[in-house]
Amino acid sequence: QQQVKQSPQSLIVQKGGIPIINCAYENTAFDYFPWYQQFPGKGPALLIAIRPDVSEKKEGRFTISFNKSAKQFSLHIMDSQPGDSATYFCAATGTASKLTFGTGTRLQVTL
Amino acid sequence: KAGVTQTPRYLIKTRGQQVTLSCSPISGHRSVSWYQQTPGQGLQFLFEYFSETQRNKGNFPGRFSGRQFSNSRSEMNVSTLELGDSALYLCATRGETEAFFGQGTRLTVV
Repeated sequence: QQQVKQSPQSLIVQKGGIPIINCAYENTAFDYFPWYQQFPGKGPALLIAIRPDVSEKKEGRFTISFNKSAKQFSLHIMDSQPGDSATYFCAATGTASKLTFGTGTRLQVTL
Repeated sequence: KAGVTQTPRYLIKTRGQQVTLSCSPISGHRSVSWYQQTPGQGLQFLFEYFSETQRNKGNFPGRFSGRQFSNSRSEMNVSTLELGDSALYLCATRGETEAFFGQGTRLTVV
């Protein structure tokens, strides 16, 4: 019940494309869903987060879509750039502050 | 505002030895969590400390332990190191809701 399933494992898009990364969770006690971006040799950096009382949140070129009934959420990156090439992790947490992470998606944005 | 600081950045240890890693949280953050990141297992929660008390614990053996000081700085210790303990160890500190990670300590056990 603690799992967060993330797909795809890797993704290649051209510059300007819109990569979409999907996550699904099982534990209905989860109430906070952040996305993290990680570059090689660095720690994960918080990108954007959402709570289940909203269906969409946008910050700059990053958008989270949230479907509470399906227990799914996804990250869209608008107008993707080569600098967005990184590994992206979805996560979920409930009243306990521990984060349960997805397995990560390695994104490559080509010119 | 300074970020989360982890020291050292890199460590090489021999099997059987022990190691202590340090994490200084963002000023004002009282919650410190530790995670292990490996290519095979991904990011896994080790434990969380809040106001010097362990508040939550993941599924790791007792060789992994931690503590938190009154200034919120935290240390984690791994005793009797095994080759499989080679990983990036990440510390995260939390304010109201958001968790911020440090750069991590890359531990290599040989």
